[in-house]
Amino acid sequence: AQSVTQPDIHITVSEGASLELRCNYSYGATPYLFWYVQSPGQGLQLLLKYFSGDTLVQGIKGFEAEFKRSQSSFNLRKPSVHWSDAAEYFCAVGASSGGGADGLTFGKGTHLIIQP
Amino acid sequence: KAGVTQTPRYLIKTRGQQVTLSCSPISGHRSVSWYQQTPGQGLQFLFEYFSETQRNKGNFPGRFSGRQFSNSRSEMNVSTLELGDSALYLCASSWTNTQETQYFGPGTRLLVL
Repeated sequence: AQSVTQPDIHITVSEGASLELRCNYSYGATPYLFWYVQSPGQGLQLLLKYFSGDTLVQGIKGFEAEFKRSQSSFNLRKPSVHWSDAAEYFCAVGASSGGGADGLTFGKGTHLIIQP
Repeated sequence: KAGVTQTPRYLIKTRGQQVTLSCSPISGHRSVSWYQQTPGQGLQFLFEYFSETQRNKGNFPGRFSGRQFSNSRSEMNVSTLELGDSALYLCASSWTNTQETQYFGPGTRLLVL
């Protein structure tokens, strides 16, 4: 069974500092990997995704993530955070097999707090 | 282009009642998935519909059901509500399947008293 672990429940970062959110996955085949962000009272917004190819993927809002197969990781990074980045961040894995009606498996999320 | 819309946004029910939630996908999207989000269990996949057919279902009891109409709009129903059904129910749509980019709606917040 596939699973996603986000080891950090909360992370506090000063505005302007760099950010790295960790994500480890367990999946038997090549995974589809996603990072979503959720602001209070909102649905999920896709930041970026990895299907294949270049292991460093660029997303919206200045975020990037690196897929490391050997470490089963897909960490999210941003060089300089803004107060508006405060939100809940979710890593998710999906099946890579065709005809996929399988849903995404999400991690429990990391709550990002931005200090002024 | 309008995003995924969910109605109602908030709902209060009592134990034993049933509830129906609605999701209208982005125009042209034919796949609709439903997720339950709770503080304890996080985001969990409920089921996915494509062209009016349920293609997969998560590990939820039979009280949770859904359907999809010919215009791709989807409804989910929960019968005999329990306190633990209190959650944010999110709907997501995509063109054909869940490996593609899914676009999430704002969710329906259900409170069961």
